[in-house]
Amino acid sequence: DAKTTQPPSMDCAEGRAANLPCNHSTISGNEYVYWYRQIHSQGPQYIIHGLKNNETNEMASLIITEDRKSSTLILPHATLRDTAVYYCIVGTGANSKLTFGKGITLSVRP
Amino acid sequence: GAVVSQHPSWVICKSGTSVKIECRSLDFQATTMFWYRQFPKQSLMLMATSNEGSKATYEQGVEKDKFLINHASLTLSTLTVTSAHPEDSSFYICSAVGGSYEQYFGPGTRLTVT
Repeated sequence: DAKTTQPPSMDCAEGRAANLPCNHSTISGNEYVYWYRQIHSQGPQYIIHGLKNNETNEMASLIITEDRKSSTLILPHATLRDTAVYYCIVGTGANSKLTFGKGITLSVRP
Repeated sequence: GAVVSQHPSWVICKSGTSVKIECRSLDFQATTMFWYRQFPKQSLMLMATSNEGSKATYEQGVEKDKFLINHASLTLSTLTVTSAHPEDSSFYICSAVGGSYEQYFGPGTRLTVT
């Protein structure tokens, strides 16, 4: 079973920020939070990961709560191409097995 | 960025035949690769972990004699579906470990068994 829970879906307007929540209340101290996304009929794409500090890269920002029990992925200016299923996953590093839950389907509307 | 390719991107085969799917890391070496399967409208399910030069580790419920995995080099892993049946029709995806923290995924292979 996935160790994370996400709402099944959400939508946002193009150009606006998309904030995708994730709960991981049983996360262990050595586990990272990873975010991947899957556009229809393609392989998942790595977005970002973090341990306890907030992280930002060219794609997104990751905000992790102080108790590490939840996090939020922020796409600052969503575009139509960001429409995808977003997976929040916890793991101990690149060699760890990733357990994909159902993810959250983000629909960006014009 | 790290690129992982899969070949073929789609394949149709007859029931009872075997199909080989290749997964390559194009611009990095991968000591570990993973194989996933995804049925329509479902999430990815891990099938096995493939380590270069050693036997693959299969997840519970995955038949190792049916899904043969070979990781003969640091840039290539292959998945062979033996004696394929219609219920094996699925989207097969590999990933490769490209650093300390990230896994990079291939584009997937759509298998249809008739």
